[in-house]
Amino acid sequence: GENVEQHPSTLSVQEGDSAVIKCTYSDSASNYFPWYKQELGKRPQLIIDIRSNVGEKKDQRIAVTLNKTAKHFSLHITETQPEDSAVYFCAARWVTGGGNKLTFGTGTQLKVEL
Amino acid sequence: NAGVTQTPKFHILKIGQSMTLQCTQDMNHNYMYWYRQDPGMGLKLIYYSVGAGITDKGEVPNGYNVSRSTTEDFPLRLELAAPSQTSVYFCASSPADTQYFGPGTRLTVL
Repeated sequence: GENVEQHPSTLSVQEGDSAVIKCTYSDSASNYFPWYKQELGKRPQLIIDIRSNVGEKKDQRIAVTLNKTAKHFSLHITETQPEDSAVYFCAARWVTGGGNKLTFGTGTQLKVEL
Repeated sequence: NAGVTQTPKFHILKIGQSMTLQCTQDMNHNYMYWYRQDPGMGLKLIYYSVGAGITDKGEVPNGYNVSRSTTEDFPLRLELAAPSQTSVYFCASSPADTQYFGPGTRLTVL
């Protein structure tokens, strides 16, 4: 199956700074890469996703970049705000075996300090 | 649209007992999934289904069973509960790519 590594595990930034979280994946055939935000005690919620035919996607303060050759993708949050504090998970879709399955990274705890 | 709903929200189970976690979606999605999330960890796939009547194992299926008799419902059965099954369980559904998660069930096995 797919293997996804995520770094860093914790990230602390000052309000207004940028935050970058990086993930690498193992299956070169993977073609879908979502990012989820999970607040304490809540469900994971999709914040942005990218498909393998695109190198970058942006939605207001959030952007995701994909490097298929290097098999890594990154989440960029600009002008961070306290409400961005949460755990962020990257994921990659398995292509083999069907089922539209995702493998998740181990998460990054982002803390935005005032 | 309620989306994905799960019951119960919380439950304490004794070692060796069995129980069923319920999951229902009203979005007519073909794909449904069960994950477990241990403290400070990511999501591990337990079982998934590509449609009514079809289920398959994920990464960590031991100790669990599922069924999918309708498009809407995807219950997860725990048999002979063990302390290692203490976790938060999330159900998700998907029309194709994006997975939508339910609110989760926090299960403690003592």
